[in-house]
Amino acid sequence: DAKTTQPPSMDCAEGRAANLPCNHSTISGNEYVYWYRQIHSQGPQYIIHGLKNNETNEMASLIITEDRKSSTLILPHATLRDTAVYYCIVKGGTSYGKLTFGQGTILTVHP
Amino acid sequence: DTGVSQDPRHKITKRGQNVTFRCDPISEHNRLYWYRQTLGQGPEFLTYFQNEAQLEKSRLLSDRFSAERPKGSFSTLEIQRTEQGDSAMYLCASSRVPTDTQYFGPGTRLTVL
Repeated sequence: DAKTTQPPSMDCAEGRAANLPCNHSTISGNEYVYWYRQIHSQGPQYIIHGLKNNETNEMASLIITEDRKSSTLILPHATLRDTAVYYCIVKGGTSYGKLTFGQGTILTVHP
Repeated sequence: DTGVSQDPRHKITKRGQNVTFRCDPISEHNRLYWYRQTLGQGPEFLTYFQNEAQLEKSRLLSDRFSAERPKGSFSTLEIQRTEQGDSAMYLCASSRVPTDTQYFGPGTRLTVL
């Protein structure tokens, strides 16, 4: 699976959009981009995933560049409860695949 | 879905003791994964089941570790002769064909004294 690069930390004001970037320049054609987050002392929570098209669900939006070498997770209206570690993971297709977690981005939402 | 559940949530044991953790996946999820997470690190893959078959084990899974999923439903992870280095959060995730989106449980935090 392709390696991902994320900034170690980011800050965001409550109510503003949080835009979390991820680089995955070696991604292959059949690999998906997954985003999880982990609030302190809890299990990781699935947020969203995509292949090449932009995706949106009730939690977030995922924007994938046309060359698929990078993506951005957007939390449209960040709240204090969105403070967490956010992991961007590339996983091969929809067949079996372990998730390889990096260090992630620590997002801190400020009042 | 009621979510992935894990039991116990916390376990404190003395070095050399055996411990067993249980994971109940989301109903009808045929894939089950175990991960381990140490402080300040992301989760690391340990092993994977499809139905009752254990199909992959990480090198992290030493001989002291054994995992089972006897009827393709719940799974257990046993650590024999625990060491202080086994102290970690043990996470279980489940998924189903074909999407394989993994949903995690709350984890079991193990402390070995």
